[in-house]
Amino acid sequence: TQLLEQSPQFLSIQEGENLTVYCNSSSVFSSLQWYRQEPGEGPVLLVTVVTGGEVKKLKRLTFQFGDARKDSSLHITAAQPGDTGLYLCAGVSNDYKLSFGAGTTVTVRA
Amino acid sequence: SQTIHQWPATLVQPVGSPLSLECTVEGTSNPNLYWYRQAAGRGLQLLFYSVGIGQISSEVPQNLSASRPQDRQFILSSKKLLLSDSGFYLCAWSDGTSLNQPQHFGDGTRLSIL
Repeated sequence: TQLLEQSPQFLSIQEGENLTVYCNSSSVFSSLQWYRQEPGEGPVLLVTVVTGGEVKKLKRLTFQFGDARKDSSLHITAAQPGDTGLYLCAGVSNDYKLSFGAGTTVTVRA
Repeated sequence: SQTIHQWPATLVQPVGSPLSLECTVEGTSNPNLYWYRQAAGRGLQLLFYSVGIGQISSEVPQNLSASRPQDRQFILSSKKLLLSDSGFYLCAWSDGTSLNQPQHFGDGTRLSIL
């Protein structure tokens, strides 16, 4: 059973456009993490959001954690080809385990 | 600084053969260790995790096993591989002293079963 639902599954946009990826769950997590993965490599952490309603910015990336700590979004402003990759959200449980979403494959065309 | 090494990077094995994938972590003590499997372009499925030497928790019933013979060594094994064991296997570690710490991943092993 997939605890975290990510949408959309695929996203292809032109350089300079904005995009949003969503991560939804019926479960409450102690925190939520976003990772980016490039082909043939392991995922790399982008951000951890802990507090309900929290908003974190990482250059052109904005991460939001829902008030109820069940959902999150990742917004990229003025996307660049270097943003291409598989974006994964993961919920952190109290036993230190991560539950990953199925991922969103983002392609930014030059 | 901490590093994680996973090998081999790619592996092609016949059905029914044994498997041993190794993962080692440097620069930290008593890490939590994890084995994941990832289908092509998809999310990660947790297979095993360990909070200490000799302590292994299995998340899903399967043809694989894991062992942690040393603090910073995590091994994924199988006695007889199945076609369905093909996939991308990732090892990861995290700081076990507090929640919300990131997991740090190795570069993975691409396993193909023929």
